[in-house]
Amino acid sequence: GAGVSQSPSNKVTEKGKDVELRCDPISGHTALYWYRQSLGQGLEFLIYFQGNSAPDKSGLPSDRFSAERTGGSVSTLTIQRTQQEDSAVYLCASRDSYYNEQFFGPGTRLTVL
Amino acid sequence: KQEVTQIPAALSVPEGENLVLNCSFTDSAIYNLQWFRQDPGKGLTSLLLIQSSQREQTSGRLNASLDKSSGRSTLYIAASQPGDSATYLCAVRGSGGSNYKLTFGKGTLLTVNP
Repeated sequence: GAGVSQSPSNKVTEKGKDVELRCDPISGHTALYWYRQSLGQGLEFLIYFQGNSAPDKSGLPSDRFSAERTGGSVSTLTIQRTQQEDSAVYLCASRDSYYNEQFFGPGTRLTVL
Repeated sequence: KQEVTQIPAALSVPEGENLVLNCSFTDSAIYNLQWFRQDPGKGLTSLLLIQSSQREQTSGRLNASLDKSSGRSTLYIAASQPGDSATYLCAVRGSGGSNYKLTFGKGTLLTVNP
């Protein structure tokens, strides 16, 4: 079946611009995560959605970052007033509720000039 | 705070060799542990998932073991092939309050030479 998809695959933007990154989870997965992978760093948790519960935003690095999940499916991560340190690969994952295994999308590579 | 360490950071082996990648974690109260593979410029592919009650999982040439009490996991790759070249990541999911997010190691970059 279809895996997790993300768009765009690459995004180049100028400092100060806003960007939106999209994630389509695996159908039926109620849990959705966003992670960030910076050069030379490990994967960093950003935000978690589970069904209709309030999301865990504890990993968001600043108030310029926000995310929403509409209809319990598609999620959008928004970064306002982008900075060069926001350059990274943003990965989305969804989790099955039986084995609790996380499946990752291909990521969006964000470059802030 | 959970910390995950992977050793070695990089490994280069000739084709056909058996090899072991190591992962250690500081908090043994885990829900499960996953091994992932990441190819350059790509996302993560899940290789094996070990629940906290399990000791090992096998998939083809891959075998992962878990010793929760000592905070260790190993990924054994048999008869390595050039196509196995990638970064291998270990991640643990905690069993406490934040028991839904994964904490990752920084990975082992594996190169299998033909």
